[in-house]
Amino acid sequence: GENVEQHPSTLSVQEGDSAVIKCTYSDSASNYFPWYKQELGKRPQLIIDIRSNVGEKKDQRIAVTLNKTAKHFSLHITETQPEDSAVYFCAATYSNYQLIWGAGTKLIIKP
Amino acid sequence: DTAVSQTPKYLVTQMGNDKSIKCEQNLGHDTMYWYKQDSKKFLKIMFSYNNKELIINETVPNRFSPKSPDKAHLNLHINSLELGDSAVYFCASSQGEGDQPQHFGDGTRLSIL
Repeated sequence: GENVEQHPSTLSVQEGDSAVIKCTYSDSASNYFPWYKQELGKRPQLIIDIRSNVGEKKDQRIAVTLNKTAKHFSLHITETQPEDSAVYFCAATYSNYQLIWGAGTKLIIKP
Repeated sequence: DTAVSQTPKYLVTQMGNDKSIKCEQNLGHDTMYWYKQDSKKFLKIMFSYNNKELIINETVPNRFSPKSPDKAHLNLHINSLELGDSAVYFCASSQGEGDQPQHFGDGTRLSIL
């Protein structure tokens, strides 16, 4: 079936450094790729999303890039801060417009 | 004013019992969802529902059933609770189909004794 693979499962970076999380998807018809952040004990919240007609999107310190040919998309966080520590989920639409979710990446920001 | 609210926040019950979790959204969205998040943090879609169709994840046991009295509410009923049902259950909503941002509730932590 369709799936979304997310890597790495855990990422530890020094405060101030950049973090990159990558996802690959299998459905070539996927056209919507959101990223959600879930802090410990809290609900997932959308932080950025991109559609298939765009290659890159930025919002302050976060950016998402999409490579439709290779069927992968990435989340980039620059100048990481302690409050960036969380679990990040990527997702992609399936052909019937259902979202398929990645398994999550636990991002740890070391002081 | 909470956009997606679910009750109760915590639910502790015995194996074999039947329980319900309620969800309400005041965003005017027409699609609502139920997710299960287990101890490994994986988010598993259980149901998505709008006023046109109910889409059920085929891996969800039929002990789980969504009930929608109106567009703003999607409740989750669980019969004959099992130990493996222990998890955090999230309700979410979106405007339109899955290619729109989803807004999540704060979750219900279900613990089966």
